[in-house]
Amino acid sequence: GQNIDQPTEMTATEGAIVQINCTYQTSGFNGLFWYQQHAGEAPTFLSYNVLDGLEEKGRFSSFLSRSKGYSYLLLKELQMKDSASYLCAVRLLLLNYGQNFVFGPGTRLSVLP
Amino acid sequence: DGGITQSPKYLFRKEGQNVTLSCEQNLNHDAMYWYRQDPGQGLRLIYYSQIVNDFQKGDIAEGYSVSREKKESFPLTVTSAQKNPTAFYLCASSTGGSYNEQFFGPGTRLTVL
Repeated sequence: GQNIDQPTEMTATEGAIVQINCTYQTSGFNGLFWYQQHAGEAPTFLSYNVLDGLEEKGRFSSFLSRSKGYSYLLLKELQMKDSASYLCAVRLLLLNYGQNFVFGPGTRLSVLP
Repeated sequence: DGGITQSPKYLFRKEGQNVTLSCEQNLNHDAMYWYRQDPGQGLRLIYYSQIVNDFQKGDIAEGYSVSREKKESFPLTVTSAQKNPTAFYLCASSTGGSYNEQFFGPGTRLTVL
């Protein structure tokens, strides 16, 4: 089966740096995505990794190690508006039917003043 | 503007009634997805479709049905067979390309009384 794990909750202080980890055990791996979701709203795309290494987009960076089944999302210079859930999702390449996405349980981040 | 629309935002139904949730996209995406999200949890896949007139069951398809008669539309019917239908329902779409994050609609919060 497919399995993705993330910490349930994290707390950090405004202006600090926080790292949210994601581990996965899947077959047919074809990329890893990070989404941000504020309460009651739709997820919005943050970053994407398909090859090993670090991808940087402004205050957000994401890292992938395919051999370890591990990714992290790094948020720098935290702001109060970064308080949200962060979802890790793996794209699977299906042999018989295109591709699909499997989501982790999400990490609820609280940014404190 | 291109995007995904879901209607209505909030929906109330009596137990035992079928209800259909609308999802429309004008992004010209081939693939569309339906997810269910329960409080404090991640997204679980209900159904997905890679092309018109074809769709596949996801992890929790029991008690749900879909159709994909047009590329732009992927309605979800929550039937009376779904034992616990109260949840937040999210529709998403993506292209078939190698860099293809999912774009999400605003969601429909269904409450069964």
